[in-house]
Amino acid sequence: DTEVTQTPKHLVMGMTNKKSLKCEQHMGHRAMYWYKQKAKKPPELMFVYSYEKLSINESVPSRFSPECPNSSLLNLHLHALQPEDSALYLCASSQDAQGTYEQYFGPGTRLTVT
Amino acid sequence: QQQVKQSPQSLIVQKGGISIINCAYENTAFDYFPWYQQFPGKGPALLIAIRPDVSEKKEGRFTISFNKSAKQFSLHIMDSQPGDSATYFCAAENSGGYQKVTFGIGTKLQVIP
Repeated sequence: DTEVTQTPKHLVMGMTNKKSLKCEQHMGHRAMYWYKQKAKKPPELMFVYSYEKLSINESVPSRFSPECPNSSLLNLHLHALQPEDSALYLCASSQDAQGTYEQYFGPGTRLTVT
Repeated sequence: QQQVKQSPQSLIVQKGGISIINCAYENTAFDYFPWYQQFPGKGPALLIAIRPDVSEKKEGRFTISFNKSAKQFSLHIMDSQPGDSATYFCAAENSGGYQKVTFGIGTKLQVIP
């Protein structure tokens, strides 16, 4: 099974809401990633988890809060977002976070902030 | 600052033709160069990748050409098909640290019948 699943597929939230994005993989990968992708742009790395520990935070605002409850799950908690945070949020996983391994991407969550 | 420059941003090719996408990089620490394919509504998927110790890699209709001295690499899609219509991202990575993929701007390819 080489699939990364993400829920929900679509999310509309107001600027005062709190919501969470979920990501799951069952490939035994020890690295998981969150990316943000705006329309007609490449994915931008937000966070890297290695062995369930946060290894990289690309200066992401604190209104985005990642969590890795176990090696298969990755969450992204959202609070007090701005309309400019509307984007496709992609989760990915790879065998390890150090070195060069194929990253498997999920289909993404399309987030709209109103 | 765009560390990986990609061109063209859009490309229209006739079915059966050759699609060519070019990329260039500056950072000599990059030592792994993957290409990702993304269909609308999907996440990117690895298509083919190359390391700088080889000048060419071919997988089916997809070929990467790599010129280390010029710091350039390109993707050739032979016998392009309508099903190849997607956005293609070249990318670069440094194997020495945590895995951070530096993407190019992307090329939207349309293959017309």
